[in-house]
Amino acid sequence: DTGVSQDPRHKITKRGQNVTFRCDPISEHNRLYWYRQTLGQGPEFLTYFQNEAQLEKSRLLSDRFSAERPKGSFSTLEIQRTEQGDSAMYLCASSSTMPDTQYFGPGTRLTVL
Amino acid sequence: GNSVTQMEGPVTLSEEAFLTINCTYTATGYPSLFWYVQYPGEGLQLLLKATKADDKGSNKGFEATYRKETTSFHLEKGSVQVSDSAVYFCALSDIYNQGGKLIFGQGTELSVKP
Repeated sequence: DTGVSQDPRHKITKRGQNVTFRCDPISEHNRLYWYRQTLGQGPEFLTYFQNEAQLEKSRLLSDRFSAERPKGSFSTLEIQRTEQGDSAMYLCASSSTMPDTQYFGPGTRLTVL
Repeated sequence: GNSVTQMEGPVTLSEEAFLTINCTYTATGYPSLFWYVQYPGEGLQLLLKATKADDKGSNKGFEATYRKETTSFHLEKGSVQVSDSAVYFCALSDIYNQGGKLIFGQGTELSVKP
C-alpha cells in the first residue's frame, strides 16, 4: 500500500492557460474523490468516481473543469482557461465502497498568475 | 443540506494542557463523523472516526464521541504536546444519501507552546 499520490505537487501557470493534474489512488480502492482547499478553509467537494463512472459533480465545478477516470484506476482533473480564482490546493482521496474512510494524497498546489 | 461547524481558531495552549475543539453538525441522514489533521506542510490524515451514535473514536490520545442528541463530535485530548500543533478538521460523510463525499468544517488551528 503506497498511499494516494498526486502529480505535480506544485503548478504555476498564467491566466488563460490549461492545466491537468493526476491522481493515483490506493490500488484496491474503487472510489476516488477530488476536493479543493483554499487558504484558511476546509476542503470543498468537487466530484467523485466509482470505478470509471463519474457519479456526482459539485456546483463548484464550472464548465472549465473536467475530470476523468478512464480505466477506473488513476484520475485526471483538467482546468481550462485558468483564472486567478482557481488558485488553491487540489486534493485527491480514495476509499473502498465500505468502509467509507477516505485517504488523501499530498495535494497539488495551483498558483494562477 | 448537511454542514459542519467548528470553533474558530487559532487555539494556543501550553504543553500538557487539556484540549477541546468543538464541532457540531447538521445532517438529514445517518452520517459518519471524522476528525482529520493537517500538520504543517503535509496532507490531510485521518485522526479518528465514529460511524454511529454513542460511538467513541480514539487515536494518539485524542478522543471524540458521536452525540446524536446534541449533534456534536467534540475533539478532546488530556495532555497536548508541541508535536500536536496542526490544523484540525471535523467532517461528516453520508454514504447512503450523498455518495460518501466529505463535508468539512473550516478547520481549527492549534498551536502548543513548550
